[in-house]
Amino acid sequence: EVQLVESGGGLVQPGGSLRLSCAASGFTFSNYWMHWVRQAPGKGLVWVSRIKSDGITTTYADSVKGRFTISRDNAKNTVYLQMNSLRAEDTALYYCARDGDYAGYSRFDPWGQGTLVTVSS
Amino acid sequence: DIQMTQSPSSLSASVGDRVTITCRASQSIRNHLNWYQQKPGKGPLILIVGASALQSGVPSRFSGSESGTDFTLTISSLQHEDSATYYCQQSYGTPYTFGQGTKLEIK
Repeated sequence: EVQLVESGGGLVQPGGSLRLSCAASGFTFSNYWMHWVRQAPGKGLVWVSRIKSDGITTTYADSVKGRFTISRDNAKNTVYLQMNSLRAEDTALYYCARDGDYAGYSRFDPWGQGTLVTVSS
Repeated sequence: DIQMTQSPSSLSASVGDRVTITCRASQSIRNHLNWYQQKPGKGPLILIVGASALQSGVPSRFSGSESGTDFTLTISSLQHEDSATYYCQQSYGTPYTFGQGTKLEIK
């Protein structure tokens, strides 16, 4: 069964740091792009970042560029999101998702269950 | 950034009704448009890729179509289990962007 399990969320003060992890299983992790998407409480989905299968090419939303770093360890089947200089507006449920290519189209499938990050003093 | 404008933001319909949700892109995204279903406390589930390709395991009552920069998700005969929030997403280019979501309630 293809599965993604996020961890590492919690309560952090503004300006603080947190590292999220997403453990993958049930597929050849090293073949796929991976994404992080967040959802503020009661709000919609917002794409955050992506990383290519080789771990070299990364892309970020402007709102997190320079503060967040995505990385991966293909030997551990895990993708990470290092979040620094956290702000109240970063409070959200953070999902990881696999980019499962479908006939040349990008699609986010599957998604994990999410890990909650709360930035508050 | 490509803006995705989704409507309506919410709707209420009865079992057996035909339901339509629309999404408009601010520029051409060809047909790089996905639809997702999200139920409370769960991660989203892919329904349709490339504007109209129904994904494996998704009931055939779901369908998608496109006309230029306008995209439509249709549920032909609403079922109780379709109560959820639906999102469109453009996968044409980064930053990937989502519509605001449509909360579908069953009367």
